[in-house]
Amino acid sequence: GDSVTQMEGPVTLSEEAFLTINCTYTATGYPSLFWYVQYPGEGLQLLLKATKADDKGSNKGFEATYRKETTSFHLEKGSVQVSDSAVYFCALMKTSYDKVIFGPGTSLSVIP
Amino acid sequence: EAGVVQSPRYKIIEKKQPVAFWCNPISGHNTLYWYRQNLGQGPELLIRYENEEAVDDSQLPKDRFSAERLKGVDSTLKIQPAELGDSAVYLCASSLGLLFVADPDSYEQYFGPGTRLTVT
Repeated sequence: GDSVTQMEGPVTLSEEAFLTINCTYTATGYPSLFWYVQYPGEGLQLLLKATKADDKGSNKGFEATYRKETTSFHLEKGSVQVSDSAVYFCALMKTSYDKVIFGPGTSLSVIP
Repeated sequence: EAGVVQSPRYKIIEKKQPVAFWCNPISGHNTLYWYRQNLGQGPELLIRYENEEAVDDSQLPKDRFSAERLKGVDSTLKIQPAELGDSAVYLCASSLGLLFVADPDSYEQYFGPGTRLTVT
């Protein structure tokens, strides 16, 4: 069945370090891909999305490119801040209004 | 604009007791979702509503779980009786829905803060 795999955490980085969180998916067709973020004590928020191959989603300095050939959607940020500490979920959706299929999440801690 | 509202935020009950969770979606959103998030995992869909109609409840354990969405707005998810394995965070989400299919962002799901259930 459809699924999402992402790198295990927790990930601990120093402030201003480069961040990569790997994400790969298994799905037929052309799903939409998402990164959600969950800050401590808060609900899930959509961070960025891409709806077709080679699309790049970006928001708040984070980027991810939809790579159909490698079925990947890796999250990157050039310089992380303490405020980026959160759990990041990679996810896919097969069709509009369908359920979102989430990966297990990757916890990120950024230390000063 | 108010986001998705859920209550209670936390609930502790003994096994075999009933429990109910309430969700108020964003005003104007026709599609409503209930997800369950186990510790250390991503959320998994329990049920999806289009207005009052449950269009996908294939993952809802119907022997003990029930849900309703009267008048196509608020929704309630109930567990009776609760089991130890039901301890999780229950998330509600909403999106504009099929009536706005021409809007490419209409399927974006907005999540509430969740209800953390502990069954002892």
